[in-house]
Amino acid sequence: KAGVTQTPRYLIKTRGQQVTLSCSPISGHRSVSWYQQTPGQGLQFLFEYFSETQRNKGNFPGRFSGRQFSNSRSEMNVSTLELGDSALYLCASSPRTGSDTGELFFGEGSRLTVL
Amino acid sequence: AQSVTQPDIHITVSEGASLELRCNYSYGATPYLFWYVQSPGQGLQLLLKYFSGDTLVQGIKGFEAEFKRSQSSFNLRKPSVHWSDAAEYFCAVGPSTGGFKTIFGAGTRLFVKA
Repeated sequence: KAGVTQTPRYLIKTRGQQVTLSCSPISGHRSVSWYQQTPGQGLQFLFEYFSETQRNKGNFPGRFSGRQFSNSRSEMNVSTLELGDSALYLCASSPRTGSDTGELFFGEGSRLTVL
Repeated sequence: AQSVTQPDIHITVSEGASLELRCNYSYGATPYLFWYVQSPGQGLQLLLKYFSGDTLVQGIKGFEAEFKRSQSSFNLRKPSVHWSDAAEYFCAVGPSTGGFKTIFGAGTRLFVKA
C-alpha cells in the first residue's frame, strides 16, 4: 500500500507570494491533518479534514487555509507569504474508522523556504 | 487544554548504553499516547502507542514505554542504543473521542556516540 505522498518536496518563494501544497493520503484513509514544523516551535497543528470538512483548526492566521477533495486528497494554501512561514509542512493521514486508535501516518513533508 | 512536555531538548548517549526519554502530558480524559521518531529529512514514524490495557507497551526497533497515570508520564526506553537510533523523538497525545487534534511535544534529539 502506497504511503502518504506530498508534493512538491521542496520549493522556494518570495515574500508576498502564495503557495499551494498537496497531500495524497493512504488509500482508504479519510482524515488528513496538516502540521507546520520549525526548529523553534516544533510541530504545530494547522488543521484536520475529514470527509471534505474541516473538523479541527490550530492557532494560525487566516492566511493558512486548506481543503479536502472527494477522493480524500488535500491541499493547503498559504497566501501573502512571510519569512516566518519557512518551515517543513507535514501531512498525515488516518483511517478515521471505528477501530482507529489515532495513529497518524506521515508523508515526508514539503520544505518551504520564503526569501 | 491538552499539552505535552518533553523536558530534554537533546540527549547524548553512548552506543550500547540504555536510554530513557521523558514525556509528561496534560489531558482531561483518558489519553491516547504516542511516540514517533523522525530521521533527518523524513516524516514521522510511529514507534509505539498506548490507549488502554497494559501500561507497559512494546514498540518497534526494541523500544518500550510505560504509562504512569499518577505521574502523567509516558517515558520511552530502550535497553541498548544503536548508532542508527540517532534521530528526533516526539511524544504526542491524541483524543480518545471526537475530533482528531494530536498534540506533539517539542521533541528530543538523540545523539549517539561511539
